[in-house]
Amino acid sequence: LAKTTQPISMDSYEGQEVNITCSHNNIATNDYITWYQQFPSQGPRFIIQGYKTKVTNEVASLFIPADRKSSTLSLPRVSLSDTAVYYCLVGDMLYNQGGKLIFGQGTELSVKP
Amino acid sequence: DAGVIQSPRHEVTEMGQEVTLRCKPISGHDYLFWYRQTMMRGLELLIYFNNNVPIDDSGMPEDRFSAKMPNASFSTLKIQPSEPRDSAVYFCASSLFGQGLNTEAFFGQGTRLTVV
Repeated sequence: LAKTTQPISMDSYEGQEVNITCSHNNIATNDYITWYQQFPSQGPRFIIQGYKTKVTNEVASLFIPADRKSSTLSLPRVSLSDTAVYYCLVGDMLYNQGGKLIFGQGTELSVKP
Repeated sequence: DAGVIQSPRHEVTEMGQEVTLRCKPISGHDYLFWYRQTMMRGLELLIYFNNNVPIDDSGMPEDRFSAKMPNASFSTLKIQPSEPRDSAVYFCASSLFGQGLNTEAFFGQGTRLTVV
């Protein structure tokens, strides 16, 4: 399983765009990149998943460069309710490793008014 | 579906007592995970099942911990005997993998365990 490295914490203000970058130098060919969000006193919640290039949904965008050694989660115009811990996970979602979801330390995002 | 259901939500027990945590996964999901979260160690994967069969229990800290999945709709995590260092939030999650992109795991609300 590819090891991931993220900033421990980030600060932002309401209305700003937030970009959280995750490094995964040892990503394998079958690995997908997945991001989860966790609010205090709740379980993690899936945000977005991608393999390469760019993926966008109603919550966020995920940018993955051609070498796939890093990825960037982009949250447009954050609000106070986006204050949470964001986890980057890398793993083979389709085959034998599909079940092994390993969470790293995550990035604690604090959004200020 | 009501999502992943865990019980109890809070548990306070004395050291040495047996503790049983329960989980009902989302109907139709074929993977079930047990995690433990503490400030010091973060979110740790303890064990996961595929089609009710334990696949990887390498995260189970000690023999005091055991997990079972007798059928597709129920799983338990048991700690016997419990110790103060077992105090943590325990999460159960379920998923349906191998279906292409956006294979996400759904987490329950967690059980906050305090061992005194």
